[in-house]
Amino acid sequence: GAVVSQHPSWVICKSGTSVKIECRSLDFQATTMFWYRQFPKQSLMLMATSNEGSKATYEQGVEKDKFLINHASLTLSTLTVTSAHPEDSSFYICSATGTGILAFSYEQYFGPGTRLTVT
Amino acid sequence: GQNIDQPTEMTATEGAIVQINCTYQTSGFNGLFWYQQHAGEAPTFLSYNVLDGLEEKGRFSSFLSRSKGYSYLLLKELQMKDSASYLCAVIDSNYQLIWGAGTKLIIKP
Repeated sequence: GAVVSQHPSWVICKSGTSVKIECRSLDFQATTMFWYRQFPKQSLMLMATSNEGSKATYEQGVEKDKFLINHASLTLSTLTVTSAHPEDSSFYICSATGTGILAFSYEQYFGPGTRLTVT
Repeated sequence: GQNIDQPTEMTATEGAIVQINCTYQTSGFNGLFWYQQHAGEAPTFLSYNVLDGLEEKGRFSSFLSRSKGYSYLLLKELQMKDSASYLCAVIDSNYQLIWGAGTKLIIKP
C-alpha cells in the first residue's frame, strides 16, 4: 500500500514551453502533497506543500507563478513548469501523506520522480 | 534556525559495518526518519524513531537520543547494493519535515 506514481518519468522540452507533471496517490487519500526538486549530487529541496482544495504554500525563493501547483483532488496533484528554461532542468519528486495508510501519519511516500531536461 | 548535520560522504567495505550519524537542532521534535536514495531514484523509507533507543530492522538499525539531538543509522553486513545516499529528516513542532543534505555511502569490494 501507499503507492505514489508520477507521470511522465522523464521529459525533454524546448526553452519557453510549459511542462505538466502529475503526481497520484494510488491507494490512499493524499491530504497533503509535497513537491521537491533535486539537482545532481545535491539534497532534496522542498519547493511547495499543497493541501487538497487549497492553494499551495511555496518555500522562499520558489516562484509561484512559474511553478503552478494544483491539488484538486485527494489523489492528484500537478506541477506545471511554465516558460521553462535550461536552468529548470532537474529531477522533480513528489511525495504525499494522508489518511487510510497503515503507517506513520507523517511519513512521506515518494513518487519515482520526473527528470526534466529543457533544451 | 533549523539545522540537520550529517557527513557528506563515507566509504566502507563490503561485509563490514558502518554507522552514519545525524545531529539536529530544530524547533520541536516529532520524530526522525531515515531514507535511502539511489542515484537517479526517489527516496525510500528506512526507519522512523520518535522515542529514545534502538530500532532494529534486519541489517539496518536506527538509534535516537532526543536529549542529545542525535541519531545514527547502522548498516551491517554491507552489500554493494547499499551504495546510496542516506537522508536524515526531522519532523519539527509544525509537523514540517526538515531534511539533511544526505550522506553518500560508497561500498568497496
